[in-house]
Amino acid sequence: QVQLQESGPGLVKPSQTLSLTCSVSGGPINSRTYYWSWVRQPAGKGLEWIGRIFASGTTNYSPSLTGRATISVDTSRNQFSLNLTSVTAADTAVYYCARVVQRYTTAWHYALDIWGPGTMVRVSS
Amino acid sequence: DIQMTQSPSSLSASIGDRVTVICRASENINNRLNWYQQKPGKAPKLLIYAASTLQSGVPSRFSGGGSGTDFTLSIRTLQPEDFATYYCQQSSSIPLTFGGGTKVEIK
Repeated sequence: QVQLQESGPGLVKPSQTLSLTCSVSGGPINSRTYYWSWVRQPAGKGLEWIGRIFASGTTNYSPSLTGRATISVDTSRNQFSLNLTSVTAADTAVYYCARVVQRYTTAWHYALDIWGPGTMVRVSS
Repeated sequence: DIQMTQSPSSLSASIGDRVTVICRASENINNRLNWYQQKPGKAPKLLIYAASTLQSGVPSRFSGGGSGTDFTLSIRTLQPEDFATYYCQQSSSIPLTFGGGTKVEIK
């Protein structure tokens, strides 16, 4: 049973870098069947996709983060990480890591099928 | 970016009711549409992918439909554990985008 667990500081000062790690247990992170994503959710609001990484290291990001996000993978530790630079109060949110699975019906489909429990990050001085 | 619009934003229903949530995409996404359920303080849970395929372990009272730009999530015979917020999400193009959510509350 694959499980994901986020870790990192719960409080970050404005203008600094938010750094989170997602530890994957119960299965290898370097499977070709999956890729890995970060999603965040401000209190009382909806879900926002941050970006994704393949085990190869290929990444894609949401343009809304204006180049502040970097996702990396460490296959030796079965982990992937998120760095978000120049944070402001608007980055305060629960951050989730998630596995994205490929499924074939009449075409390939992608869905976030396993999520970590989430970690609350507050940006404040 | 593809915009996802859900309606209603909230609804009140009773145990045993049938409930339908609507999700509309700003452009054609074929059937690249997923549905998630989220309970307070918990991570989202995948219910349906490819618009209508039930994720393993999800009760059959949940169903999804639609294609192109218009999609529905239906819950037949609402159960106490179904009171939650539901989100649609398109997987047609990057960035992945979510609808604003529909909160299903107890009447």
